[in-house]
Amino acid sequence: QSALTQPRSVSGSPGQSVTISCTGTSSDVGGYRHVSWYQQHPGKAPKLMIHDVSKRPSGVPDRFSGSKSGNTASLTISGLQAEDEADYYCCSYAGSYIYVFGTGTKVTVL
Amino acid sequence: QVQLVESGGGVVQPGRSLRLSCAASGFTFSSYGIHWVRQAPGKGLEWVAVIWYDGNNKFYADSVKGRFTISRDNSKNTLYLQMDSLRAEDTAVYYCTKDEDWGVFDYWGQGTLVTVSS
Repeated sequence: QSALTQPRSVSGSPGQSVTISCTGTSSDVGGYRHVSWYQQHPGKAPKLMIHDVSKRPSGVPDRFSGSKSGNTASLTISGLQAEDEADYYCCSYAGSYIYVFGTGTKVTVL
Repeated sequence: QVQLVESGGGVVQPGRSLRLSCAASGFTFSSYGIHWVRQAPGKGLEWVAVIWYDGNNKFYADSVKGRFTISRDNSKNTLYLQMDSLRAEDTAVYYCTKDEDWGVFDYWGQGTLVTVSS
């Protein structure tokens, strides 16, 4: 049950796009479509942004999108806005009804 | 509206026990699996445990297996986490979160802080 690997930080200017990677193995990210992404502002609970690799819950802006290739999932934020500055975590089903989160990525809006 | 409210956190000595609760409202509690997820101070999220909608199946992270027990009372719309043999590394904010479907954590509580220290 090793944590999925994410970059420690990414940054971009307002209006730019940033992509966060989430690398696992064939036993988690690569083996299932049950990959989700969560946004967490300081001192707050996480918020669901993407589920099942690329599905966006109602109310989440369409500038957030998800994808997966092999053992790596990605979250892209297009048209970066100040309020997108937060920590982001991926999460994957890892078989046998257990789940694993990523190490987390801090997104900074320059 | 959906609400999850955790309680029971506090300061506890290593080796002692603590029980967390998560009171749910605004949805049919008995129809959904519920998870515990924790976050150590300044660290990332860590999945802890899940209990299925009917309480008949429970699964745990290796880091807590044999020490923590997840349970639920569907008549009270409440989830529990019994934490025994606590260690310093169990210090964290503990969140309960509703599972819409296969790890889609669509609602979260505000968290309760557990500090394990002598």
